[in-house]
Amino acid sequence: DADVTQTPRNRITKTGKRIMLECSQTKGHDRMYWYRQDPGLGLRLIYYSFDVKDINKGEISDGYSVSRQAQAKFSLSLESAIPNQTALYFCATRDRGEQFFGPGTRLTVL
Amino acid sequence: GQQVMQIPQYQHVQEGEDFTTYCNSSTTLSNIQWYKQRPGGHPVFLIQLVKSGEVKKQKRLTFQFGEAKKNSSLHITATQTTDVGTYFCAANSGGSNYKLTFGKGTLLTVNP
Repeated sequence: DADVTQTPRNRITKTGKRIMLECSQTKGHDRMYWYRQDPGLGLRLIYYSFDVKDINKGEISDGYSVSRQAQAKFSLSLESAIPNQTALYFCATRDRGEQFFGPGTRLTVL
Repeated sequence: GQQVMQIPQYQHVQEGEDFTTYCNSSTTLSNIQWYKQRPGGHPVFLIQLVKSGEVKKQKRLTFQFGEAKKNSSLHITATQTTDVGTYFCAANSGGSNYKLTFGKGTLLTVNP
C-alpha cells in the first residue's frame, strides 16, 4: 500500500548501534502500529499510538522506543541494537476496521 | 492476554485441491479478521467477520465465524498458484477495539 511508507527498506547494522525506522502515512488515520515478524511467530505488536499524545506499549516493547512526531509519522528506535532484534518490521495504520500495512523494513543486526 | 491459535502452521497442496486454515480462541471474540501475506510482501486485509455463525464468500474463498464466536476458518476451493502465501487471522485484544492479536499464520504452498 503506497499510502503507508517505511524507510529504510533494508538495513544492516552492528550490535550496540542506535537505529531508527521511520513510517509515514497519507491515509489520515490516527491509529498507528509497529510490529515485528519472525518466522513461525507471526506478527507481534511492539508499540501503538492512537494519537500524537497517546503512546502505548505492545507485547514486546523491551529494547524499543517510539516517537509520534505528527499524525502522519511514527518512528521506531532501537537504542542499542542486538542480534535477536534481527527481524522484519512492519508499520501499520488503522481506521475502524482493517489495518493497512507498510512494505516492511528488513533489519539485520550483526 | 488474548491469544488466537492458528493451525496448521504449514500446508502444501497440489493445484486444484482445497485448503482450510483454522483459528481458535479460548475466549469469545468480538470480531475476527483475515489477512494474506504473499512471499516477500506485507499483510493485506481480506475480510472481517462480526456476527455469530457468519459466513462470507470471496470468489473461491469462504470465511466462517463460529456460533460461539471462539473460532473461525478460511477455506479455499480449488487452489491456484496465486493463492500461495501466509494467511493470518487476527482478533481484537485487551478489551480494545483497535489493537489486534495475530495468529502465527498458515503458510500455503501450491504445487502446479
